[in-house]
Amino acid sequence: NAGVTQTPKFRVLKTGQSMTLLCAQDMNHEYMYWYRQDPGMGLRLIHYSVGEGTTAKGEVPDGYNVSRLKKQNFLLGLESAAPSQTSVYFCASSTGTRLNTEAFFGQGTRLTVV
Amino acid sequence: KQEVTQIPAALSVPEGENLVLNCSFTDSAIYNLQWFRQDPGKGLTSLLLIQSSQREQTSGRLNASLDKSSGRSTLYIAASQPGDSATYLCAVYSGYSTLTFGKGTMLLVSP
Repeated sequence: NAGVTQTPKFRVLKTGQSMTLLCAQDMNHEYMYWYRQDPGMGLRLIHYSVGEGTTAKGEVPDGYNVSRLKKQNFLLGLESAAPSQTSVYFCASSTGTRLNTEAFFGQGTRLTVV
Repeated sequence: KQEVTQIPAALSVPEGENLVLNCSFTDSAIYNLQWFRQDPGKGLTSLLLIQSSQREQTSGRLNASLDKSSGRSTLYIAASQPGDSATYLCAVYSGYSTLTFGKGTMLLVSP
């Protein structure tokens, strides 16, 4: 029972490079989320998706793009990495139904931009 | 905009104490509230989910309560153990089922 799996777990990028973070869930959840966690700032929502083919902006979307081509996958792209994007990135999924929605998180991707 | 505050930011207690972690939110129009645990360098582990129609949930030594009208939730940990040392995060569901997090309470339980 894998739950939510993030790839890669660690990455170092040079300023200006691009990369894609992959999130995969095997719980048939409709909703998927990308958060970043920074010291003193807590977890902040970057983008989210309410179903296959949909995406929406969260609190801190600038500098990131996302795609949800398949229900089980949610990709987060950094087009031109900046040192301010050094952070730990977490993916989550949930059923999205208002009564019973419960979020499950991946183990995180630690990204350093130098 | 929903804002979630957790008090205290850090807490240090001796083993065996009962303790209460507090969470408050500004917009009472929430669907659910979820408590998580995060160990250093790790992901988030769900502890308890309280639906908006419920007042409390219990799991082992953990009990979480919810008072929507006052915008508050508490997490009660009974007979604390060193293994309880972690950061505890409170998150509320509102709007389009997006989660808004507090900054967490860092708990240290000493033997």
